[in-house]
Amino acid sequence: KAGVTQTPRYLIKTRGQQVTLSCSPISGHRSVSWYQQTPGQGLQFLFEYFSETQRNKGNFPGRFSGRQFSNSRSEMNVSTLELGDSALYLCASSLGGYMPQHFGDGTRLSIL
Amino acid sequence: QKEVEQNSGPLSVPEGAIASLNCTYSDRGSQSFFWYRQYSGKSPELIMSIYSNGDKEDGRFTAQLNKASQYVSLLIRDSQPSDSATYLCAVNGPGSGSRLTFGEGTQLTVNP
Repeated sequence: KAGVTQTPRYLIKTRGQQVTLSCSPISGHRSVSWYQQTPGQGLQFLFEYFSETQRNKGNFPGRFSGRQFSNSRSEMNVSTLELGDSALYLCASSLGGYMPQHFGDGTRLSIL
Repeated sequence: QKEVEQNSGPLSVPEGAIASLNCTYSDRGSQSFFWYRQYSGKSPELIMSIYSNGDKEDGRFTAQLNKASQYVSLLIRDSQPSDSATYLCAVNGPGSGSRLTFGEGTQLTVNP
């Protein structure tokens, strides 16, 4: 069974640009959550989508947005990039609710 | 008070010993509890999930949950150098959907 697939694996952008990250969940998983991981803040929850609806949102500015498609694939968008947005962005999928979440390999975003 | 706290590391144990990792959480209504292992430069990998009080064993790993004390632990028996990694405790609270709150992690080193 294929795991969670995130693309791209690495991305380099400059301040002010925008970026879109993609996540394909494990087959059958309808819940997709996004997390940001930095050395200083650890793993922070961004948002969760279930059946194309955002169910939960973390404490991040509106520059961070996402969406989910009917096939459960999800995208995350960050606009007007700032240096502090440099991080590992992780996508996790699950069956929903309190079920275990499985992470993809992540997208490492560097802002110059 | 942090929502999820883990015992400060780094933790160093000799090969073959038992490694004990601890985690406390502040939300008494939390429903599900997970341990993830993260190797340097990699994404978190789920190793244990526990939902009810008591012990849950899986191979060399045992997770223990005490909801009254708001405490969850992970024991690794017969520790191997390949167990050297950062261990993350994650908690899912009531009404939070699939939102996971993570501790800062405990870095474990198993010395041959």
